[in-house]
Amino acid sequence: AQSVTQPDIHITVSEGASLELRCNYSYGATPYLFWYVQSPGQGLQLLLKYFSGDTLVQGIKGFEAEFKRSQSSFNLRKPSVHWSDAAEYFCAVAINTGNQFYFGTGTSLTVIP
Amino acid sequence: DGGITQSPKYLFRKEGQNVTLSCEQNLNHDAMYWYRQDPGQGLRLIYYSQIVNDFQKGDIAEGYSVSREKKESFPLTVTSAQKNPTAFYLCASLKRGHVLVGNQPQHFGDGTRLSIL
Repeated sequence: AQSVTQPDIHITVSEGASLELRCNYSYGATPYLFWYVQSPGQGLQLLLKYFSGDTLVQGIKGFEAEFKRSQSSFNLRKPSVHWSDAAEYFCAVAINTGNQFYFGTGTSLTVIP
Repeated sequence: DGGITQSPKYLFRKEGQNVTLSCEQNLNHDAMYWYRQDPGQGLRLIYYSQIVNDFQKGDIAEGYSVSREKKESFPLTVTSAQKNPTAFYLCASLKRGHVLVGNQPQHFGDGTRLSIL
């Protein structure tokens, strides 16, 4: 069965420090990959997506992610975290015909001054 | 601006009661989805619909029902058979039912938080 794993339930970083959130997926072929961010009590906002081509994708708010086929990973990175980045982050994959999505369990990010 | 509107933002259910969560979109999207979000479990798919008058069960459809009579509307009913309905419910939509069409991902509403009285 397809699955998405976000091994870090909660991460705390200092403002200005770099950030990497991990995501691994289990699927035979290359899926379509996404990172979403969720503020408390809100819906999900798309940060970036990977469909094909360049394995390093740029997103909004200064985020980027790198697709590594050999590791079945799609880790999210940001060089310098801002206090406003504190939120829940979800990795997701769409498979087969691209109309069904699977989400990871999320990583909660805390940013300290 | 186009978007997805979920209402109400907060909803309370009494024992044995059915409640309906509203989801309306004006994005002209064909596919719509309902997810349930519980702490530490991410999003789990309840139902999805690719076209009007058609829908499919997701991973946790038991105790829920949906209808898709109009393209822009996809209401979710939480029935009394759902014994643990307390959760955050998210509605999403997708153009043409495929992420590659229009190079657009799912769009999400702001959610409805359902609690038991």
